[in-house]
Amino acid sequence: QKEVEQNSGPLSVPEGAIASLNCTYSDRGSQSFFWYRQYSGKSPELIMSIYSNGDKEDGRFTAQLNKASQYVSLLIRDSQPSDSATYLCAVTFPSGGYNKLIFGAGTRLAVHP
Amino acid sequence: DVKVTQSSRYLVKRTGEKVFLECVQDMDHENMFWYRQDPGLGLRLIYFSYDVKMKEKGDIPEGYSVSREKKERFSLILESASTNQTSMYLCASSFFSETSTDTQYFGPGTRLTVL
Repeated sequence: QKEVEQNSGPLSVPEGAIASLNCTYSDRGSQSFFWYRQYSGKSPELIMSIYSNGDKEDGRFTAQLNKASQYVSLLIRDSQPSDSATYLCAVTFPSGGYNKLIFGAGTRLAVHP
Repeated sequence: DVKVTQSSRYLVKRTGEKVFLECVQDMDHENMFWYRQDPGLGLRLIYFSYDVKMKEKGDIPEGYSVSREKKERFSLILESASTNQTSMYLCASSFFSETSTDTQYFGPGTRLTVL
């Protein structure tokens, strides 16, 4: 069973703080990892992708990948109320000749002023 | 920018009706996907297509069919709509790549209500 696990939240952080979102996955063969942001009533939009162990930074966002621990995280620095959304972790799993993308159920982030 | 469009943002249908949801992408992507999203269950893959006229079942294909006659268009069909198919339907597309980056880009979604 291919699984991507996230804490559903809500994760509540004050404005200006660091928000830390975590995700674990079940298959050691996974190669590609994505974080999507989804505002209420809207479709998911890609924030970050990461493929190698370590950190990848893009503005206020940092994705961290540890394949040995099967763990991927997203850090949001200087959190803003506009960051309040559900964050979806997505992981590719080898499936026959294709890579199948499996989504976690999402973590709801609430940034309060 | 990648653009994925869906034919309707909101749709209300009656039980037993045949429902067509259309998705069009303008980036010449080989891969197209249909998901449904329900509270607490996340995104679940219904069907996907890696080429014109090609389709593969996802995790929850029952009650659905698809059609891909042109590369840019992928249709989801509910043969006989039922109330348990009330959901948000999301279309996505991606390039096919040997490096398998598999970045999927989503359309705005169609919120379908079946009465």
